[in-house]
Amino acid sequence: EVQLVESGGGLVQPGESLRLSCAASGFAFSSYWMHWVRQVPGKGLVWVSRIDSGGSSTAYVDSVKGRFTISRDNAKNTLFLQMNSLRAEDTAVYYCAREWVGGTYPQLYYYGMDVWGQGTTVTVSS
Amino acid sequence: EIVLTQSPGTLSLSPGERATLSCRASQSVSNRHLAWYQQKSGQSPRLLIYGASTRATGTPVRFSGSGSETDFTLTISRLEPEDFAVYYCQQYGSSPRTFGQGTKVEF
Repeated sequence: EVQLVESGGGLVQPGESLRLSCAASGFAFSSYWMHWVRQVPGKGLVWVSRIDSGGSSTAYVDSVKGRFTISRDNAKNTLFLQMNSLRAEDTAVYYCAREWVGGTYPQLYYYGMDVWGQGTTVTVSS
Repeated sequence: EIVLTQSPGTLSLSPGERATLSCRASQSVSNRHLAWYQQKSGQSPRLLIYGASTRATGTPVRFSGSGSETDFTLTISRLEPEDFAVYYCQQYGSSPRTFGQGTKVEF
């Protein structure tokens, strides 16, 4: 079964750090781009970050640049999100999702985020 | 950053009716790099459409996507009970990827 399982969420104080993990199974993890998307309960989806299949290219939304770092361990089929200097506005459910990307740079073909985890909750509060 | 504006915010319809959801971009979305996702209460999002009009694996044929550049549409030809949910568009033509604020389809 194709599956993504997030973990590592919890309650932290402003300024503290947290590391989220996303364990992948049932598919060739190292062949997929991976994303983190967050959602405040009752609100909309916000794309946070992505990493290419090899881990050499990353991108972030401006609000987390310099504070969050996405990484992956293809040998362990795991995606990470290191979150430092956390703020109250980072409070959300964090989802990981996979995306198949075909072709070779610069002609890339994107196929959408077709598998999502169940989410892990991060609460930043004093 | 490309801002996506979805309309209407809420669509009140009955099963069997046609639903038309709009997604308007603040600037052109390159290569029709736009996706639609469905999210039901308490669940993770589900990919419906990518490339503006290509149905993802498992997406019923009653869902169709169209549009280009700044104007995109998701159409549900005949609403089934399981289609009542929130729908998000997302552009991935430029970074950062952005989502619209969502359209709730309610009965």
